[in-house]
Amino acid sequence: RKEVEQDPGPFNVPEGATVAFNCTYSNSASQSFFWYRQDCRKEPKLLMSVYSSGNEDGRFTAQLNRASQYISLLIRDSKLSDSATYLCVVTRGNQFYFGTGTSLTVIP
Amino acid sequence: DAGVTQSPTHLIKTRGQQVTLRCSPKSGHDTVSWYQQALGQGPQFIFQYYEEEERQRGNFPDRFSGHQFPNYSSELNVNALLLGDSALYLCASSGDRVEYGYTFGSGTRLTVV
Repeated sequence: RKEVEQDPGPFNVPEGATVAFNCTYSNSASQSFFWYRQDCRKEPKLLMSVYSSGNEDGRFTAQLNRASQYISLLIRDSKLSDSATYLCVVTRGNQFYFGTGTSLTVIP
Repeated sequence: DAGVTQSPTHLIKTRGQQVTLRCSPKSGHDTVSWYQQALGQGPQFIFQYYEEEERQRGNFPDRFSGHQFPNYSSELNVNALLLGDSALYLCASSGDRVEYGYTFGSGTRLTVV
């Protein structure tokens, strides 16, 4: 079973829409959780960390449910510039485990 | 403050050849991890170096080897290249607090023909 599973999409949404991505992880000993954003043919960049209490950064809200081993990312009021692949990441020890990514295209 | 730098940015090699990729971590980071990312896939962990030693290794054959230098920079070597080794190779650095996440370099795109 994969460490991290994501729906690969693609998600095609109109500007201004709200879109949610989900991710599950297999190992309950996973310690830290992140969402990374990756633009086409570029390196992944840290979008935000994810905490059990939930955290928000502008239009982005991330949530962690440790009991269900489930991580979510909500993007409100989508912009064209949000088009990218969103990678769910968990850590255990010093190692980071990446999902395959969810592709988002925001359409004018 | 320089981020993670990788060289070269692009590389074309033929099957059977050997390649060396280089990485300088972000200032203040002492841990370097290497990932392979095939098209349409998430990054796959190759190995991690800390204090000049391989600390962890993913599911990659011995053809993949590495090194870390006293200044924390690192090299990834791949011997006997296969067509399937064509990918984006990403270097990521981190400090002692993994909860701060990785910082990635812009990668080396390797094409094996």
